Amino acid sequence: GAVVSQHPSRVICKSGTSVKIECRSLDFQATTMFWYRQFPKKSLMLMATSNEGSKATYEQGVEKDKFLINHASLTLSTLTVTSAHPEDSSFYICSAPTGVGETQYFGPGTRLLVL
Amino acid sequence: AQTVTQSQPEMSVQEAETVTLSCTYDTSESNYYLFWYKQPPSRQMILVIRQEAYKQQNATENRFSVNFQKAAKSFSLKISDSQLGDTAMYFCAFMKHAYSGTYKYIFGTGTRLKVLA
Repeated sequence: GAVVSQHPSRVICKSGTSVKIECRSLDFQATTMFWYRQFPKKSLMLMATSNEGSKATYEQGVEKDKFLINHASLTLSTLTVTSAHPEDSSFYICSAPTGVGETQYFGPGTRLLVL
Repeated sequence: AQTVTQSQPEMSVQEAETVTLSCTYDTSESNYYLFWYKQPPSRQMILVIRQEAYKQQNATENRFSVNFQKAAKSFSLKISDSQLGDTAMYFCAFMKHAYSGTYKYIFGTGTRLKVLA
C-alpha cells in the first residue's frame, strides 16, 4: 500500500510557541491531504482538507488562524499550531488519498503536548 | 448529512474464534464507498477492507470479510480465526463518490476489540 509519513512523531513545547508538523506522501503524489485530530479513545475528527497550490478548507469550528495549513508540493503538507496552549495537546494525524476519490492512507500520527 | 454509527463500543473474542463488528450508516447517495480501518495501540491507522456501493459482491481480505446490505445501510466486518494481533480499535468510514466534489471520510465512533488468549 501507499506510504505516508509524519514528522515529528512526538513534540513537547511551551505554551505560546508554534509547532509545525509535516506530512509527506512517500511513493505517490497527493493533490489533497487531510488533517485530523484524535482525543484518547475517541474517533478521528477532521480538521481541514489541504489542497496543493490553493487554500485549505477548514471544518466548522476549526480556527484557521490557529491551525495553519500549507500544501506547497504534491508530496508535502504542513500543519502549524500557532501560539499553542495546553488545550491544543492532542494526537494529530494526516492522510492522503492516492487519487481523486481513492482510499486514504494515514500517517503514523504526531503526539503534541503543550506545557 | 451522512452519519456512521458503530453501536458496539467494546467487544472481546477468544483467539481463533470469529467476531462480527457492526456498522450502520445513513445517506441519500446511491454511489459511495465504505471502509474498515484498524487502529492498534501504536495508533497507526491501517486499511482493513474497502467496499464500493455499486458492487453487490461482499469484499474479502484473507480473514476479514464484510456483509454489505445496501438497502439496510449496514456494513458489518467479520474477523475469522481471530489473532492476538487483531486487538485494536476498529473504525467504519463512509466516503461519497468523487463526482460529489468532496471525498472526505465520515468516521464512526469506533469499536474496541480485544482478542483473548
